[in-house]
Amino acid sequence: DQQVKQNSPSLSVQEGRISILNCDYTNSMFDYFLWYKKYPAEGPTFLISISSIKDKNEDGRFTVFLNKSAKHLSLHIVPSQPGDSAVYFCAASATLQGAQKLVFGQGTRLTINP
Amino acid sequence: EAGVAQSPRYKIIEKRQSVAFWCNPISGHATLYWYQQILGQGPKLLIQFQNNGVVDDSQLPKDRFSAERLKGVDSTLKIQPAKLEDSAVYLCASSLWSDEAFFGQGTRLTVV
Repeated sequence: DQQVKQNSPSLSVQEGRISILNCDYTNSMFDYFLWYKKYPAEGPTFLISISSIKDKNEDGRFTVFLNKSAKHLSLHIVPSQPGDSAVYFCAASATLQGAQKLVFGQGTRLTINP
Repeated sequence: EAGVAQSPRYKIIEKRQSVAFWCNPISGHATLYWYQQILGQGPKLLIQFQNNGVVDDSQLPKDRFSAERLKGVDSTLKIQPAKLEDSAVYLCASSLWSDEAFFGQGTRLTVV
């Protein structure tokens, strides 16, 4: 069962515009959410996170929004830059049986066009 | 601060052969994860260690995959015998208790 879903496999955005990546989750036990960025031939790198007690977290050009009632989160990148072209993974975390569980979505490939 | 180290970076083996991957997590990180990422999919957790104890190996194909974490530091993941469908990138990650996980560069395995 896919507990974390990214329904858009790819997204293409013009440089300077806003990129919006979406993620849905099903397990209400998740209480911490993360976005990772992955370039080819590299491991995922942490980008930004949000706790379930918040609905927004901002870090420079990156903002993550959380809608708990809809079990939905989104990552906004503005303005988008060519270096933002990568695969973005949404991840959700829950502490279960004394350990942190970290579950990933399928990823969205973002392409920023000059 | 040194990151998560993995080796080898690439490995090509024939089906039914065995292979082992090594991971050295960030110093002081108690939690260590092994993920399998098949092309076009997100990372799937294979096994999770807390110090040197296993906390989740529910998705590890135990008939062919094994992993250990000696002294709560380095870890090895082994596949024996390998199948074609094991072709993937194997990612090791580590974290403090409930912080974000930091990933290594991964090992790309091709089974032919």
